[in-house]
Amino acid sequence: GDSVTQMEGPVTLSEEAFLTINCTYTATGYPSLFWYVQYPGEGLQLLLKATKADDKGSNKGFEATYRKETTSFHLEKGSVQVSDSAVYFCALIRNDYKLSFGAGTTVTVRA
Amino acid sequence: DVKVTQSSRYLVKRTGEKVFLECVQDMDHENMFWYRQDPGLGLRLIYFSYDVKMKEKGDIPEGYSVSREKKERFSLILESASTNQTSMYLCASSPPPLGYTFGSGTRLTVV
Repeated sequence: GDSVTQMEGPVTLSEEAFLTINCTYTATGYPSLFWYVQYPGEGLQLLLKATKADDKGSNKGFEATYRKETTSFHLEKGSVQVSDSAVYFCALIRNDYKLSFGAGTTVTVRA
Repeated sequence: DVKVTQSSRYLVKRTGEKVFLECVQDMDHENMFWYRQDPGLGLRLIYFSYDVKMKEKGDIPEGYSVSREKKERFSLILESASTNQTSMYLCASSPPPLGYTFGSGTRLTVV
């Protein structure tokens, strides 16, 4: 079935470093793709999304581009802050409108 | 601001107890979902509902049941709690087909 695979963490960075979290998907057709973020002690929040090939989602300095040719949706941020410390989930929406999530990547940013 | 509210943030229950996890949304969404979140496994769908009194099994329904008597409320039931059901439980709602909103989660410990 449709699924996503994201890089395993944890990832530890210094403030102002560049962040990349890899995500690849397996799907029939072209599903919508998402990145969710979970801050400590909270539920998941939608960070950004892309609904078709070559779309770029962006929010809070994060970006991800829907790459059909490589079946990827990698998350990037050019200069991270301590407040970006969180767990990041890649997800796709299946044909039955249910989300399928990756395992999550824990990111810790140190001052 | 739209909300999905889960009645408890933390619960401790004994093996064999019947456990109810409650979720209420104030957005008039048709779709509601229950996920469990475990380290290294991401989020896995337990049950979902597309309408009142309608329910369908997700990917890991064993040991769980659900109830949706009113549109705004979706309850997850552990008929006889076991230690392998210790987890974080997340409720979400959405209008079809996109736009999941998650609750803050209930961390259940079964001892």
